[in-house]
Formats: sequence, structure tokens, C-alpha cells
Amino acid sequence: GQNIDQPTEMTATEGAIVQINCTYQTSGFNGLFWYQQHAGEAPTFLSYNVLDGLEEKGRFSSFLSRSKGYSYLLLKELQMKDSASYLCAVGSIGNEKLTFGTGTRLTIIP
Amino acid sequence: GAVVSQHPSWVICKSGTSVKIECRSLDFQATTMFWYRQFPKQSLMLMATSNEGSKATYEQGVEKDKFLINHASLTLSTLTVTSAHPEDSSFYICSARGPWDLTGADTQYFGPGTRLTVL
Repeated sequence: GQNIDQPTEMTATEGAIVQINCTYQTSGFNGLFWYQQHAGEAPTFLSYNVLDGLEEKGRFSSFLSRSKGYSYLLLKELQMKDSASYLCAVGSIGNEKLTFGTGTRLTIIP
Repeated sequence: GAVVSQHPSWVICKSGTSVKIECRSLDFQATTMFWYRQFPKQSLMLMATSNEGSKATYEQGVEKDKFLINHASLTLSTLTVTSAHPEDSSFYICSARGPWDLTGADTQYFGPGTRLTVL
């Protein structure tokens, strides 16, 4: 089976940097996705990692270590609109589904 | 690219009635779509995987006779909640597996969701 773990809640200050961690256990790892979900809305795709290393996309970066079963999403220059839930999801080979973590609710304070 | 629409965005119905929710991929063809439900402050729960032209694959514990899924074309999947009851009230979200060349992966793109309230 698959198991994904991420913190339930985090708080950070506007303009600062925050790192949201995700650990996973899966057989046949086939990529890790990060999604952002604002309250009452559907998730939107942020990033995808399948190889080890850092993927940078503007203010958001995502890192993956397959040997450690670990990923993080790094958000820089935080803005109030970044207050949302961040979902970590893992794909597995031969399976069309993604397994989602419970999400990290991030609150940005002035 | 990879826009998914969902209709209706919200619906209120009486207990015992059926409700149909449509999920469309607007600018790409989606052989595979997924249906999720989400309760307040909880994560997404996959209900079923819908493949065009074949029967849906339901997750354990999801009643296939209650949640009817039809994926009749490469751009449309529907979820019908039959004989809805108050406990079926939830946020239903569909997703479609997007074109590989957009991200180099089987990325799922989500519709805006449908909030169902059963009285």
C-alpha cells in the first residue's frame, strides 16, 4: 500500500519563506505531485518531481529524494494569497491513481 | 491548456432524488477521469476511476449502484448520485488525466467542484 505523511497545519509570515515536508512509502514510485487548494475550490497543479533534485518554478520550488521517500515544497516571498492547503500526491507504476496526503493547511499572517 | 469544467457548481436537492454531475475536458481529450469527494477540512477521497468506453473502477466501500459513472466520450464523464440522502452532501470533484507533453507526467487536472446539499 501507500502511506503519505505531511504536517496538518503551518503558519508563516508574509514575505518570508516556508517549507512544507512530505514523506511517503510506496511500491513502484512513479512521481510526486504538489497541488494547491484554496478553501471551497478544487486543487490546482503546482509541480511534479520524478527524479531526485530541485525543480524551481517562480516563487515555488519542489524537492525530491527517492531514497529517503521525502519531498518538500518551498514557497518564497510569501503573499497573503498563498494561504491555502497544499496537497502532496504520489503516483505508482501500473496504477492510474494518485494517492493524496491529508494536506497541509498554510496560514500566512501579516 | 488542460482545462476541466464541472457542472453544476452547486446543487440542492431533496432526499430520495437523483443528481447528475458533468465533468468535461475542454481543450484536450481525456481517456481517464477520476471522481473524488471531499468533506470539510479533509483531504480528497477517490471514489472511482472512469475510463472512456468501459466500466468505471470503484474504490473499496463506494457503492457502484449508488454512484453511477458514465464516460461516454473522450471529453465527458458524468457522475449520478442516485437516491441521494443527507449523508451524501459533500464537495464532489472530478479530474482528468492531462496531455503528457504538458508536464511530462500523468498529471491530473481538476474541475472546479460541485457542492451537493441534500435536504
